[in-house]
Amino acid sequence: EDQVTQSPEALRLQEGESSSLNCSYTVSGLRGLFWYRQDPGKGPEFLFTLYSAGEEKEKERLKATLTKKESFLHITAPKPEDSATYLCAVGGTSYGKLTFGQGTILTVHP
Amino acid sequence: SQTIHQWPATLVQPVGSPLSLECTVEGTSNPNLYWYRQAAGRGLQLLFYSVGIGQISSEVPQNLSASRPQDRQFILSSKKLLLSDSGFYLCAWSVRDTSTDTQYFGPGTRLTVL
Repeated sequence: EDQVTQSPEALRLQEGESSSLNCSYTVSGLRGLFWYRQDPGKGPEFLFTLYSAGEEKEKERLKATLTKKESFLHITAPKPEDSATYLCAVGGTSYGKLTFGQGTILTVHP
Repeated sequence: SQTIHQWPATLVQPVGSPLSLECTVEGTSNPNLYWYRQAAGRGLQLLFYSVGIGQISSEVPQNLSASRPQDRQFILSSKKLLLSDSGFYLCAWSVRDTSTDTQYFGPGTRLTVL
């Protein structure tokens, strides 16, 4: 059974204070690892898909990296508008199905 | 570009009443479609997925059902709601028959069962 564990559950940062979110996973045959951002009361917004260990992707202040056991979402010089819940998910051998972690609630104070 | 719609946005229903939530996708053909439930604003639980018209797979046994009457329409239903059915319901789509499973989510429906 595919499993995803995200840490920490909640993270409070000061504006400009860089940090990382962790996503540890176990999966039989990784088809992709996905990061989403979710604002309160809204649907998750797609950020990145990573397919193989060593891959990195960037978008504005966010950078996602992938190893064989975990993924990190690095946030550089965050701003208050980066406050949201960040969700990680993996796609395994079951085509089309994703397993989600519980998310990390990020709060950035001005 | 592709767009996914869900309605209603919010719904308050009494226990034992029926339910019908609708999801439609624009700008793509033959998508995979998914229904998720999210409790307490955290992890997503896959309820149903569909790879084509009339083809529905259920992931979690419950009093909910799903139907796909048209290629880009996905409906979540219940004959009698339970208190435990309260939650945030999300519809998602992905491109069929590709090497990627990237799913794109709709705005969600907040259901409260009283």
